[in-house]
Amino acid sequence: DAGVTQSPTHLIKTRGQQVTLRCSPKSGHDTVSWYQQALGQGPQFIFQYYEEEERQRGNFPDRFSGHQFPNYSSELNVNALLLGDSALYLCASSFRQGSYEQYFGPGTRLTVT
Amino acid sequence: AQTVTQSQPEMSVQEAETVTLSCTYDTSESDYYLFWYKQPPSRQMILVIRQEAYKQQNATENRFSVNFQKAAKSFSLKISDSQLGDAAMYFCAYRTEIQGAQKLVFGQGTRLTINP
Repeated sequence: DAGVTQSPTHLIKTRGQQVTLRCSPKSGHDTVSWYQQALGQGPQFIFQYYEEEERQRGNFPDRFSGHQFPNYSSELNVNALLLGDSALYLCASSFRQGSYEQYFGPGTRLTVT
Repeated sequence: AQTVTQSQPEMSVQEAETVTLSCTYDTSESDYYLFWYKQPPSRQMILVIRQEAYKQQNATENRFSVNFQKAAKSFSLKISDSQLGDAAMYFCAYRTEIQGAQKLVFGQGTRLTINP
């Protein structure tokens, strides 16, 4: 049973560039949530997707956008990167009906220089 | 808005001893879920234990147990017989739901060190 996978593991981008992060949910899960974890902090909720639509959004600017595909995988896009976007980006999957746990992937470490 | 507070940035314990990590939260909801997650240096967030607010019985998972005090809005994690592999960041999290969508609100974390 494959768990949540994320790619890439880490990447380095320059300020002003755009980045796309990818997530495949745990087998059987239909909901994907994205979190940003700054160094030494707890994760902060970015948004959640199910049925290919954004369902709830945290306090993040429109530079952060996402997408969910018919196979439930998801992408997180960040435009016009700022130095403050440097963080660990975590993807979590869950089953919308009847399950209350979110299972996390290993994360993508983004460094903006 | 819900908030989660972990007042212990760091804790340490001798191997084989017991340690308790503290967590308090603020909410106006009556039914909710609370979780403890472990994040080792590998970065992967691992679910340790969950507690449903409507259940009075404290959850247990092997060496891990919680002390859930709903009126006090307190949710502490007890680790018995600590092992070297327990060393990690531990995060307390509150699950909130709005219009069918769920999100986790995390505390700042407690770094647990196990001394051999």
